[in-house]
Amino acid sequence: QVQLVESGGGVVQPGRSLRLSCAASGFSFSSFGIHWVRQAPGKGLEWVAVISNDSKNKYYADSVKGRFTISRDNSRNTLYLQMNSLRPEDTAVYYCARLYGGTWFVDYWGQGTLVTVSS
Amino acid sequence: EIVLTQSPGTLSLSPGERATLSCRASQSVTSDYLAWYQQKPGQAPKLLIYGASNRATGIPDRFSGSGSGTDFTLTISRLEPDDFAVYYCQQYGSSPPMCSFGQGTKLEIK
Repeated sequence: QVQLVESGGGVVQPGRSLRLSCAASGFSFSSFGIHWVRQAPGKGLEWVAVISNDSKNKYYADSVKGRFTISRDNSRNTLYLQMNSLRPEDTAVYYCARLYGGTWFVDYWGQGTLVTVSS
Repeated sequence: EIVLTQSPGTLSLSPGERATLSCRASQSVTSDYLAWYQQKPGQAPKLLIYGASNRATGIPDRFSGSGSGTDFTLTISRLEPDDFAVYYCQQYGSSPPMCSFGQGTKLEIK
């Protein structure tokens, strides 16, 4: 079955960096685009970034542009999110989420990993 | 950037009643690019409706979506206990390539 498992979350000081990973299994990873979507504690969903199946296309929310980088390694079935210059407002559960067909809708989500930015 | 505004923020209804949730966009959205999700506490969201009116696999027909332009609606015809959750709309576009979610509507048991 389709599985997406995020890791790499934790507590980090403002201004520091963190890299999240998302390990995929149960489907042909190299055939699907993937989002990162985050959710601050008790808040709604916020789109972060998306990457196409072949890494040729990457798009970011304005709130993270220039600080976060999305990438993937299809040989390892793994998605990444490099987060630099972290701010307290980046505190959230980060989900990786598989794109549905040729759309930007999501048919499968991971369980999420919590990132806390605090001094 | 297109902003999605959902209303009401909280909807209190009883099982068996009809729920109508609204999602209004700050500018016109292509219907093909509008979806609805359900999220329960401690869980990831679940795709309900895509392309404004198409039910995702396994979604019961008491869930329906409609709308066009800037106004979209999710209707749950007869609420069941399992339907009480938070609902989000999502849109994406190509110029520029961006995606956004509404702030959510909490559907609670009255």
